[in-house]
Amino acid sequence: QKEVEQDPGPLSVPEGAIVSLNCTYSNSAFQYFMWYRQYSRKGPELLMYTYSSGNKEDGRFTAQVDKSSKYISLFIRDSQPSDSATYLCAMNAGTASKLTFGTGTRLQVTL
Amino acid sequence: GAGVSQTPSNKVTEKGKYVELRCDPISGHTALYWYRQSLGQGPEFLIYFQGTGAADDSGLPNDRFFAVRPEGSVSTLKIQRTERGDSAVYLCASSLRDGSNYGYTFGSGTRLTVV
Repeated sequence: QKEVEQDPGPLSVPEGAIVSLNCTYSNSAFQYFMWYRQYSRKGPELLMYTYSSGNKEDGRFTAQVDKSSKYISLFIRDSQPSDSATYLCAMNAGTASKLTFGTGTRLQVTL
Repeated sequence: GAGVSQTPSNKVTEKGKYVELRCDPISGHTALYWYRQSLGQGPEFLIYFQGTGAADDSGLPNDRFFAVRPEGSVSTLKIQRTERGDSAVYLCASSLRDGSNYGYTFGSGTRLTVV
């Protein structure tokens, strides 16, 4: 079993929809949680960073962490065609330098 | 430069050959990371440098893989006796310090194809 599980999709939604992306994890030592966006043939780009449990909002994006359930989410409001990309969750324990990534969810926002 | 630069962007090599992949981090970033991303997968950690030294090389898959950062800026990932299974996108990232708690900036990667 992988340390981080993420549905690969693809997920297709109409423009303006609310998108929910999720990851589960098994390592209880993970404390720092990130969401990256990756366009085709580009490197991952950091979208959201959260520490421990709770919510964080940045514009149309909201990240949620529930450490008791080992479950993290990214919500995208008013989705746009430009949001079409692969979304990767990533996390680490804080004491190590390496991130453990999910497989990524491919999102397609249609007109 | 403004971002992390990786060269070449694409590399096709024959099985058994030696390859070098270069990463030029953001100026002033002391931490540098190499990840490998296979098709349909998330990036997998290879090695982390803090300055000139490899602080964590636990992700290197075997002794055919080696990386250096002699002056604490540019890094080179070296792969000997390449195998078809080495085909992947090799990503480099850098940060001001240990960026694990803040995220870091990735380059666009080198797409390696071993034929």
